[in-house]
Amino acid sequence: NAGVTQTPKFRVLKTGQSMTLLCAQDMNHEYMYWYRQDPGMGLRLIHYSVGEGTTAKGEVPDGYNVSRLKKQNFLLGLESAAPSQTSVYFCASSYSSGINQQFFGPGTRLTVL
Amino acid sequence: AQSVTQLGSHVSVSEGALVLLRCNYSSSVPPYLFWYVQYPNQGLQLLLKYTSAATLVKGINGFEAEFKKSETSFHLTKPSAHMSDAAEYFCAVSDWGGGFKTIFGAGTRLFVKA
Repeated sequence: NAGVTQTPKFRVLKTGQSMTLLCAQDMNHEYMYWYRQDPGMGLRLIHYSVGEGTTAKGEVPDGYNVSRLKKQNFLLGLESAAPSQTSVYFCASSYSSGINQQFFGPGTRLTVL
Repeated sequence: AQSVTQLGSHVSVSEGALVLLRCNYSSSVPPYLFWYVQYPNQGLQLLLKYTSAATLVKGINGFEAEFKKSETSFHLTKPSAHMSDAAEYFCAVSDWGGGFKTIFGAGTRLFVKA
C-alpha cells in the first residue's frame, strides 16, 4: 500500500497564478484533511472532508477551495496565489475522527513569488 | 474549546540522556491525545496515542507518555536519546464530543548532541 501520496512535491508560482494539489489515499478512509505548516505555528487545518462529496472549512480556509469527487482523492485549489500562501502543505486521512490517528502524506512545498 | 501547548520550541539533549518533551492540553470533555513525530522533509507519523485506557502509554522507538488529568498534561519521555531521535514532535488533542476536531500543538524540535 502506498498510504497517502501528494502531487507535486515542489512548486513555485507567481502571484495570481492558480494551481491544484492532489492527494490520494489507498486505505479506504472516510476522512481527509488539508493542513499548512508554517514555522512556529504547527499544523493549521485548511479544509477537511468526512466523506465522498462532502467538504468543510477548517481554521484557515480563505484563499483555498477543495473537492472530494472520489473517496480516495482530495484536491486543494489555489485560484489566485499570494505570497502569504507560501508554505508546506500536508494532506492526511483517517478512518474517522476522534480516536483514530491521521496518516500523513510527504508534503508539498509551495513558494509564491 | 480545545487547545494544546507545547512548552519549548527547541529542546537539546546529549546522546544517552533523558528526553522530556512537555505538552499541556485543555478540553471540555475527556480527550484523546496523540504524539506525532516529523523527520526532515517527511510527513508526520504517529508515535503513540492515549484513548482513556492505561494512563501510561508506550509508543514506538522507546518513547512513552503519561496522561495526568490533574495536571492536564501528556508529556513525552524516552530514557536514553539516540541521534536518530532528532526530529520535530507534535502533541495533538482530539475532542470526541460534537464530531471532528483535532488540534495540533506548535511543535518541539529535538536536537541530539553527540
